[in-house]
Amino acid sequence: NAGVTQTPKFQVLKTGQSMTLQCAQDMNHEYMSWYRQDPGMGLRLIHYSVGAGITDQGEVPNGYNVSRSTTEDFPLRLLSAAPSQTSVYFCASSSRALRAGNTIYFGEGSWLTVV
Amino acid sequence: KQEVTQIPAALSVPEGENLVLNCSFTDSAIYNLQWFRQDPGKGLTSLLLIQSSQREQTSGRLNASLDKSSGRSTLYIAASQPGDSATYLCAVRGSQGNLIFGKGTKLSVKP
Repeated sequence: NAGVTQTPKFQVLKTGQSMTLQCAQDMNHEYMSWYRQDPGMGLRLIHYSVGAGITDQGEVPNGYNVSRSTTEDFPLRLLSAAPSQTSVYFCASSSRALRAGNTIYFGEGSWLTVV
Repeated sequence: KQEVTQIPAALSVPEGENLVLNCSFTDSAIYNLQWFRQDPGKGLTSLLLIQSSQREQTSGRLNASLDKSSGRSTLYIAASQPGDSATYLCAVRGSQGNLIFGKGTKLSVKP
């Protein structure tokens, strides 16, 4: 059971480039989400999805796109990378929409540097 | 808007000491509260989840309590070990179903 898998683990981008962070889970979880973690800011929600074909914005969605064509995959796209998007990105999944009692599982993170 | 605060931001203790980490939240209308552990360069591992109707949860040397009315939770670690060194994060489930995190407490347990 692989859990939540994120790729790549490390990436360096130039300002203005685009890229996609991949996230896949093999637990048949309906709920998936992307967070970014910055020093002094904690984890902040970027986008989330409660099922295939359904996505919604979190606290810091600007500059990012997501799609959910399958239950397993939830890619995060950076449209035109900016230095402010240098961060550690975490994908997470859970069964249902985080009902009471449902634990959320995190991937190991993707370290992104924009120069 | 829900805000989650963790105190202290960092804590250093000698091995064997019992310790308490604190978490407070501004909106008591939560569905659950979860404590996580994060090791350097790693993702988050769930330690304990307390439902809004519960007062505490225990797992091994860890005990988490929840007082919804006062907006507080504590994580108690008994007989601390160097392997407990990590950052501990608390998060509450908000009205939209998403987790809102505190900034964490970085714990160092000295041998």
